[in-house]
Amino acid sequence: EVQLVESGGGLVQPGRSLKLSCVASGFTFSNYGMNWIRQAPGKGLEWVAYISSGSSYIYYAETVKGRFTISRDNAKNTLYLQMTSLRSEDTALYYCARVAAISTHWFAYWGQGTLVTVSS
Amino acid sequence: DVVMTQTPVSLSVSLGGQVSISCRSSQSLVHNNGNTYLSWYLQKPGQSPQLLIYKVSNRFSGISDRFSGSGSGTDFTLKISRVEPDDLGVYYCGQGTQYPYTFGAGTKLELK
Repeated sequence: EVQLVESGGGLVQPGRSLKLSCVASGFTFSNYGMNWIRQAPGKGLEWVAYISSGSSYIYYAETVKGRFTISRDNAKNTLYLQMTSLRSEDTALYYCARVAAISTHWFAYWGQGTLVTVSS
Repeated sequence: DVVMTQTPVSLSVSLGGQVSISCRSSQSLVHNNGNTYLSWYLQKPGQSPQLLIYKVSNRFSGISDRFSGSGSGTDFTLKISRVEPDDLGVYYCGQGTQYPYTFGAGTKLELK
């Protein structure tokens, strides 16, 4: 069974940093591209970043480009999101999501999310 | 960026009824490789989103045939027949044809 478990969320002051993790199990992590997607309280879904299976291809939403860094450690089956210069508008539930297969562009599996609250 | 516009914002349905949700994109979702990367997701209350439909009309593993997707280019539709209580929640369309990936604002399906 595919499982994605996010962690690392919490309350952080504006301008500070936070690093999220997503531990994967139930599949060969190194074979799949991964994404971070967020959802502000009571709002819709916003794609944040993508990283290919071997980290060769990385893409970001303009709203986070230059502030967030997506990375992965295939030996540890873990996806990361390093977030810096956090703003109040970054407050959201952050999901990691796996693509269905190689060269697919939809989100087949989602974690339960980790909540990031940016507030002074 | 590709803007995804969903209508209606909310929908009331009786159990056993049928509903349609529309999703329009600001640009064609036909990829250079000929595929159209339009997908549908359902977010039930208090849960993570789940994939229902991918590439316009393909049901994901375990998804009931009561869910069907159709459309092409910039206009897409999700139909749900014989609505059941477990179908209630917010439906999102999403495009994966070009970065940044984008989603519609969602359609909330409620019981009448």
